[in-house]
Parts: sequence; structure tokens; C-alpha cells
Amino acid sequence: QQQVKQSPQSLIVQKGGIPIINCAYENTAFDYFPWYQQFPGKGPALLIAIRPDVSEKKEGRFTISFNKSAKQFSLHIMDSQPGDSATYFCAASSITQGGKLIFGQGTELSVKP
Amino acid sequence: NAGVTQTPKFRVLKTGQSMTLLCAQDMNHEYMYWYRQDPGMGLRLIHYSVGEGTTAKGEVPDGYNVSRLKKQNFLLGLESAAPSQTSVYFCASSYVPGSHYEQYFGPGTRLTVT
Repeated sequence: QQQVKQSPQSLIVQKGGIPIINCAYENTAFDYFPWYQQFPGKGPALLIAIRPDVSEKKEGRFTISFNKSAKQFSLHIMDSQPGDSATYFCAASSITQGGKLIFGQGTELSVKP
Repeated sequence: NAGVTQTPKFRVLKTGQSMTLLCAQDMNHEYMYWYRQDPGMGLRLIHYSVGEGTTAKGEVPDGYNVSRLKKQNFLLGLESAAPSQTSVYFCASSYVPGSHYEQYFGPGTRLTVT
């Protein structure tokens, strides 16, 4: 059972475009929603995270939008650059359920120059 | 600070062989994790440890064993490798997951079982 569903599986945008990656979850006990960025041959690294008491969080060019009633959250990358080309994973966890991260399937983003 | 390191980086096994993957962290983190990454499936938790001497099963524990004899090390063992265990394995650590602290990942081990 996939508790966190991520789409699209792959995404190609031009430099300066705004790629959007979406995630949906089922478990209403989730209370922490991070995004991880992974470059080829490397381990994932935390990019940005949000808690359900806010609807949006920005860090530089990266924004998380969160819709608690729809149980969905998304990552927007403003003014995307070729250096943003990577695989992005959404995840979710619940303190009451041990805090273990449940990852989405991943989105391979390619930003063309 | 090396962070989280994993050895080996690559390994090829024949079906039925055994091996141990080593994860080490120098951040004095309490919690450590082993994940496997397969195309289209994200990262799935195999086993984890909440402290020295303790281990627990994750989402996909079958065919794997783990040990945490020292706080800084977390070992993942495959007793009898199967082709279905061909994957990229990542180790991660965090300070205290109960507070949703960031998980730090190692560079991964690419394992092929033929």
C-alpha cells in the first residue's frame, strides 16, 4: 500500500520555467512533510519541509504548497535552472507512529538550458 | 565531519552468497536507517535502529538482518542473496526522529545479484 503518491514520474522544463511536483497522502496522522533532492550517484538531501499548520513555505526558489483538506502538497521551483536537474522525493511522517519517513515514488526533473 | 559513509560503493553477488553492508556516522545521531531504492518505488525502509543495541523492522525487512553494536555503526546483512535484492541501498541517520529532525543520507551502495 503506497501511502504517499507522487506525480509526475518525470518532468522536462525549459530554463526559467516553474516545474510543479505533486504528492497526495492518505494517513491523516502525518504531521511532517519534507522534500528531498537527489543528484545522480548521491544520497538524497533535505530540501525543504512543512508542517500542516501552514499552507505555504518558501525557501529561496523552492516553495511547498499544502492543502490539508485535500491531503495534498506540492513543490514549486521558481526560475528553474539546469542545476536543479535531479530526482525529487516527497515524504511524510507522523510523530505518533514513530516518525519514520514514508517516501513518494520520486520525480526525475530535467531542466533544459 | 564525514557525515554518513557507506562501504562498499558497489558489489556484485551471485545468488545464495552473503554479504554485509557497513554504515558509519560521525554526528552522534541516535537513530539510523537502511533503505532500498528501486526505480518507480521511491525509498523503502528495510530496518531501523533507535539506539545502540536496538533494531526494528521497517516496510520491507524480509531477507535482511541488521545489527547496531556501536552507536556510530549500523550493519545490513544479506544471508542468502536473491536477484530481487538487486537495488541501491542507502543508510541514513537522524538525531531524534520524534521531533522530525532531518535524516542525513549516505552516498549509497549499488548491489547487483546475478
